[in-house]
Amino acid sequence: DTGVSQDPRHKITKRGQNVTFRCDPISEHNRLYWYRQTLGQGPEFLTYFQNEAQLEKSRLLSDRFSAERPKGSFSTLEIQRTEQGDSAMYLCASSLARDPQGNQPQHFGDGTRLSIL
Amino acid sequence: AQSVTQLDSQVPVFEEAPVELRCNYSSSVSVYLFWYVQYPNQGLQLLLKYLSGSTLVESINGFEAEFNKSQTSFHLRKPSVHISDTAEYFCAVSERNTGFQKLVFGTGTRLLVSP
Repeated sequence: DTGVSQDPRHKITKRGQNVTFRCDPISEHNRLYWYRQTLGQGPEFLTYFQNEAQLEKSRLLSDRFSAERPKGSFSTLEIQRTEQGDSAMYLCASSLARDPQGNQPQHFGDGTRLSIL
Repeated sequence: AQSVTQLDSQVPVFEEAPVELRCNYSSSVSVYLFWYVQYPNQGLQLLLKYLSGSTLVESINGFEAEFNKSQTSFHLRKPSVHISDTAEYFCAVSERNTGFQKLVFGTGTRLLVSP
Protein backbone atom coordinates (compact mmCIF):
# COMPACT_ATOMS: atom_id res chain seq x y z
CA ASP A 1 0.00 0.00 0.00
CA THR A 2 1.84 3.08 -1.25
CA GLY A 3 -0.88 5.48 -0.19
CA VAL A 4 -2.55 8.27 -2.12
CA SER A 5 -0.05 10.34 -4.08
CA GLN A 6 -0.58 13.92 -5.20
CA ASP A 7 1.53 15.98 -7.56
CA PRO A 8 2.76 18.66 -7.33
CA ARG A 9 2.98 19.33 -3.59
CA HIS A 10 3.15 23.05 -4.14
CA LYS A 11 2.09 25.24 -7.05
CA ILE A 12 2.60 28.98 -7.32
CA THR A 13 1.06 30.73 -10.27
CA LYS A 14 -0.15 34.10 -11.43
CA ARG A 15 -3.79 35.01 -11.45
CA GLY A 16 -5.41 34.08 -14.73
CA GLN A 17 -3.21 31.07 -15.43
CA ASN A 18 -4.46 27.51 -15.73
CA VAL A 19 -3.24 24.81 -13.35
CA THR A 20 -3.62 21.05 -13.27
CA PHE A 21 -3.14 18.71 -10.33
CA ARG A 22 -2.79 14.95 -10.39
CA CYS A 23 -3.91 12.33 -7.89
CA ASP A 24 -2.93 8.68 -7.88
CA PRO A 25 -5.20 6.73 -5.53
CA ILE A 26 -4.42 3.50 -3.72
CA SER A 27 -4.35 0.97 -6.54
CA GLU A 28 -7.40 -1.15 -5.75
CA HIS A 29 -9.60 1.77 -4.68
CA ASN A 30 -12.56 2.41 -6.94
CA ARG A 31 -13.71 5.68 -5.37
CA LEU A 32 -11.82 8.95 -5.62
CA TYR A 33 -12.68 12.28 -4.03
CA TRP A 34 -11.42 15.85 -4.28
CA TYR A 35 -11.66 18.29 -1.38
CA ARG A 36 -10.52 21.88 -0.93
CA GLN A 37 -9.13 23.20 2.36
CA THR A 38 -8.64 26.90 2.97
CA LEU A 39 -6.64 28.31 5.84
CA GLY A 40 -8.23 27.67 9.21
CA GLN A 41 -11.06 25.60 7.79
CA GLY A 42 -11.88 21.95 7.42
CA PRO A 43 -11.82 20.32 4.01
CA GLU A 44 -14.84 20.92 1.77
CA PHE A 45 -16.09 18.33 -0.68
CA LEU A 46 -15.65 19.20 -4.36
CA THR A 47 -16.35 16.09 -6.42
CA TYR A 48 -16.37 12.30 -6.41
CA PHE A 49 -15.73 9.47 -8.88
CA GLN A 50 -16.82 5.87 -8.83
CA ASN A 51 -14.33 4.26 -11.24
CA GLU A 52 -14.27 6.64 -14.24
CA ALA A 53 -17.73 8.12 -13.68
CA GLN A 54 -18.01 11.51 -11.98
CA LEU A 55 -21.12 11.03 -9.85
CA GLU A 56 -21.31 14.14 -7.72
CA LYS A 57 -20.15 17.74 -7.97
CA SER A 58 -20.38 20.38 -5.28
CA ARG A 59 -21.72 23.84 -6.00
CA LEU A 60 -18.27 25.00 -4.95
CA LEU A 61 -17.00 23.60 -8.24
CA SER A 62 -17.53 26.49 -10.63
CA ASP A 63 -17.33 26.10 -14.40
CA ARG A 64 -13.63 27.03 -14.19
CA PHE A 65 -12.99 23.71 -12.46
CA SER A 66 -12.95 20.36 -14.20
CA ALA A 67 -12.00 16.94 -12.94
CA GLU A 68 -11.41 13.73 -14.84
CA ARG A 69 -10.59 10.14 -14.08
CA PRO A 70 -10.22 8.76 -17.60
CA LYS A 71 -9.39 5.13 -16.93
CA GLY A 72 -10.70 4.81 -13.44
CA SER A 73 -7.22 5.07 -12.00
CA PHE A 74 -5.50 8.46 -11.56
CA SER A 75 -7.45 11.71 -11.60
CA THR A 76 -6.71 15.28 -12.63
CA LEU A 77 -8.22 18.50 -11.34
CA GLU A 78 -7.85 21.53 -13.59
CA ILE A 79 -8.56 25.12 -12.68
CA GLN A 80 -8.83 27.58 -15.54
CA ARG A 81 -8.30 31.34 -15.23
CA THR A 82 -7.24 31.08 -11.62
CA GLU A 83 -8.41 33.71 -9.11
CA GLN A 84 -7.06 34.80 -5.74
CA GLY A 85 -9.83 32.91 -4.02
CA ASP A 86 -8.60 29.63 -5.49
CA SER A 87 -5.60 29.69 -3.14
CA ALA A 88 -6.04 26.62 -0.96
CA MET A 89 -4.86 23.10 -0.28
CA TYR A 90 -6.44 20.63 -2.69
CA LEU A 91 -6.78 17.19 -1.15
CA CYS A 92 -7.45 13.92 -2.88
CA ALA A 93 -8.80 10.84 -1.13
CA SER A 94 -9.67 7.33 -2.20
CA SER A 95 -11.65 4.44 -0.79
CA LEU A 96 -12.80 0.96 -1.70
CA ALA A 97 -16.53 0.38 -2.02
CA ARG A 98 -17.48 -3.28 -2.18
CA ASP A 99 -21.19 -2.49 -2.37
CA PRO A 100 -23.39 0.56 -3.08
CA GLN A 101 -23.62 1.37 0.62
CA GLY A 102 -19.93 0.84 1.14
CA ASN A 103 -18.49 2.52 4.15
CA GLN A 104 -14.76 1.99 3.85
CA PRO A 105 -12.81 4.98 5.23
CA GLN A 106 -11.26 7.50 2.91
CA HIS A 107 -7.48 7.65 2.70
CA PHE A 108 -6.08 11.10 2.01
CA GLY A 109 -3.01 12.26 0.14
CA ASP A 110 -0.75 15.05 1.39
CA GLY A 111 -2.43 17.58 -0.87
CA THR A 112 -1.36 20.19 -3.39
CA ARG A 113 -0.99 23.68 -1.98
CA LEU A 114 -1.96 26.29 -4.57
CA SER A 115 -0.87 29.90 -4.17
CA ILE A 116 -2.17 32.54 -6.55
CA LEU A 117 -0.03 35.67 -6.87
CA ALA B 1 -27.71 18.31 4.99
CA GLN B 2 -25.21 17.77 7.75
CA SER B 3 -23.06 20.17 9.72
CA VAL B 4 -20.29 19.72 12.27
CA THR B 5 -19.35 22.10 15.05
CA GLN B 6 -16.01 22.07 16.79
CA LEU B 7 -16.33 24.86 19.32
CA ASP B 8 -12.69 24.92 20.39
CA SER B 9 -10.36 26.26 17.72
CA GLN B 10 -7.33 25.65 19.92
CA VAL B 11 -6.73 23.55 23.03
CA PRO B 12 -3.45 24.03 24.91
CA VAL B 13 -2.50 21.29 27.33
CA PHE B 14 0.56 20.08 29.20
CA GLU B 15 2.20 16.78 28.42
CA GLU B 16 0.70 13.79 30.27
CA ALA B 17 -2.50 15.74 31.05
CA PRO B 18 -5.91 14.49 29.86
CA VAL B 19 -7.65 16.21 26.97
CA GLU B 20 -11.11 16.34 25.41
CA LEU B 21 -11.82 17.77 21.98
CA ARG B 22 -15.48 18.48 21.47
CA CYS B 23 -17.54 17.70 18.39
CA ASN B 24 -21.26 18.18 17.86
CA TYR B 25 -23.10 17.45 14.67
CA SER B 26 -26.45 18.18 13.09
CA SER B 27 -28.20 15.88 10.65
CA SER B 28 -31.73 14.92 9.72
CA VAL B 29 -30.60 11.39 8.87
CA SER B 30 -28.35 8.79 10.45
CA VAL B 31 -24.65 9.37 10.03
CA TYR B 32 -21.27 7.78 10.32
CA LEU B 33 -18.77 9.70 12.47
CA PHE B 34 -15.03 10.14 12.08
CA TRP B 35 -12.05 11.84 13.66
CA TYR B 36 -9.12 12.71 11.40
CA VAL B 37 -5.73 14.13 12.44
CA GLN B 38 -3.63 16.45 10.28
CA TYR B 39 0.06 17.16 10.92
CA PRO B 40 1.63 20.28 9.35
CA ASN B 41 1.86 20.17 5.56
CA GLN B 42 0.32 16.74 5.41
CA GLY B 43 -3.00 15.23 4.48
CA LEU B 44 -5.54 13.82 6.88
CA GLN B 45 -5.11 10.51 8.66
CA LEU B 46 -8.07 8.58 9.98
CA LEU B 47 -7.87 8.37 13.77
CA LEU B 48 -11.06 6.49 14.52
CA LYS B 49 -14.57 5.96 13.25
CA TYR B 50 -18.03 5.08 14.48
CA LEU B 51 -20.10 3.06 12.06
CA SER B 52 -22.34 0.94 14.30
CA GLY B 53 -22.26 -1.19 17.43
CA SER B 54 -20.50 -0.05 20.59
CA THR B 55 -20.74 3.70 21.03
CA LEU B 56 -17.20 3.85 22.44
CA VAL B 57 -14.49 3.52 19.81
CA GLU B 58 -10.76 3.48 20.37
CA SER B 59 -7.67 4.14 18.30
CA ILE B 60 -4.34 2.34 18.50
CA ASN B 61 -2.56 5.37 19.99
CA GLY B 62 -4.74 5.86 23.05
CA PHE B 63 -7.49 8.14 21.76
CA GLU B 64 -11.13 7.25 22.23
CA ALA B 65 -14.42 8.81 21.22
CA GLU B 66 -17.97 8.18 22.34
CA PHE B 67 -21.02 8.56 20.15
CA ASN B 68 -23.88 10.16 22.07
CA LYS B 69 -26.99 10.15 19.92
CA SER B 70 -29.18 12.13 22.29
CA GLN B 71 -26.61 14.93 22.51
CA THR B 72 -25.50 14.52 18.89
CA SER B 73 -21.91 14.52 20.03
CA PHE B 74 -18.74 12.57 19.27
CA HIS B 75 -16.12 13.98 21.64
CA LEU B 76 -12.52 12.82 21.38
CA ARG B 77 -10.57 12.06 24.55
CA LYS B 78 -7.13 10.93 25.60
CA PRO B 79 -6.19 10.31 29.24
CA SER B 80 -2.54 11.34 28.83
CA VAL B 81 -1.21 13.30 25.86
CA HIS B 82 2.27 13.34 24.38
CA ILE B 83 4.18 16.11 22.64
CA SER B 84 3.75 14.15 19.42
CA ASP B 85 -0.05 14.54 19.64
CA THR B 86 0.32 18.19 18.68
CA ALA B 87 -1.70 18.49 15.48
CA GLU B 88 -5.00 19.64 14.01
CA TYR B 89 -7.96 17.35 14.69
CA PHE B 90 -11.04 17.28 12.47
CA CYS B 91 -14.38 15.74 13.26
CA ALA B 92 -16.41 14.63 10.23
CA VAL B 93 -19.71 12.99 9.39
CA SER B 94 -21.09 11.22 6.37
CA GLU B 95 -24.64 10.27 5.65
CA ARG B 96 -25.56 6.61 5.93
CA ASN B 97 -26.98 4.87 2.90
CA THR B 98 -26.10 7.55 0.36
CA GLY B 99 -24.12 5.20 -1.83
CA PHE B 100 -20.96 7.21 -1.26
CA GLN B 101 -19.20 8.84 1.62
CA LYS B 102 -19.11 12.56 1.10
CA LEU B 103 -17.47 13.79 4.28
CA VAL B 104 -18.62 16.98 6.00
CA PHE B 105 -15.89 18.36 8.25
CA GLY B 106 -15.81 20.70 11.19
CA THR B 107 -13.41 23.64 11.25
CA GLY B 108 -10.85 21.74 13.29
CA THR B 109 -9.27 21.97 16.73
CA ARG B 110 -5.57 22.61 17.09
CA LEU B 111 -4.15 20.59 19.98
CA LEU B 112 -1.00 22.17 21.40
CA VAL B 113 0.90 19.95 23.83
CA SER B 114 3.70 21.60 25.76
CA PRO B 115 6.31 20.11 28.13
